[in-house]
Amino acid sequence: GQQVMQIPQYQHVQEGEDFTTYCNSSTTLSNIQWYKQRPGGHPVFLIQLVKSGEVKKQKRLTFQFGEAKKNSSLHITATQTTDVGTYFCAVTGGGADGLTFGKGTHLIIQP
Amino acid sequence: EPEVTQTPSHQVTQMGQEVILRCVPISNHLYFYWYRQILGQKVEFLVSFYNNEISEKSEIFDDQFSVERPDGSNFTLKIRSTKLEDSAMYFCASSERDLRGANVLTFGAGSRLTVL
Repeated sequence: GQQVMQIPQYQHVQEGEDFTTYCNSSTTLSNIQWYKQRPGGHPVFLIQLVKSGEVKKQKRLTFQFGEAKKNSSLHITATQTTDVGTYFCAVTGGGADGLTFGKGTHLIIQP
Repeated sequence: EPEVTQTPSHQVTQMGQEVILRCVPISNHLYFYWYRQILGQKVEFLVSFYNNEISEKSEIFDDQFSVERPDGSNFTLKIRSTKLEDSAMYFCASSERDLRGANVLTFGAGSRLTVL
């Protein structure tokens, strides 16, 4: 199945600072999804990117899909304590295949 | 909002015992999945299920594991003889269409399995 590398593994920020996590693949992706998992919770779908160079925004969250469809990023502007959790990118091999998740970026916010 | 429900929320078992984890997917969804997450690690794919049969399974999903849709609503994961390394959170998920159709997964809250 397809593999994705996600960095950084951990990110400590002060509340109000920005945060970015990156996902990279050695192969071209058909699409990429982003999920958020709160501590003790389950993955919750955030967004799906399909088109080359696509940029989508959800309030303070900005998602980008690279021109070559091999990388993606999630950027949070002015983090809040509610943003705490692990952010995963996920890709599919297609069909009924399950998603392959990246290792996730744990966002820790210091008030 | 429709949700995926899982039971039990936490199961403690002795090594070698059989466990069954239960899931009720969203009613109009056709594709069902099991994932597991060892504490602090990434979410790992186990198996996908469609049209009453396994569509895809990972290397983790060996002969100790089986899935079943015994009726029109439940989707179960059975671990035949549990090992210590099976201790993890097991997530059920469902989706309306296959992922080639660029669809998304809805996850349940998970069943935490502790093997002693």
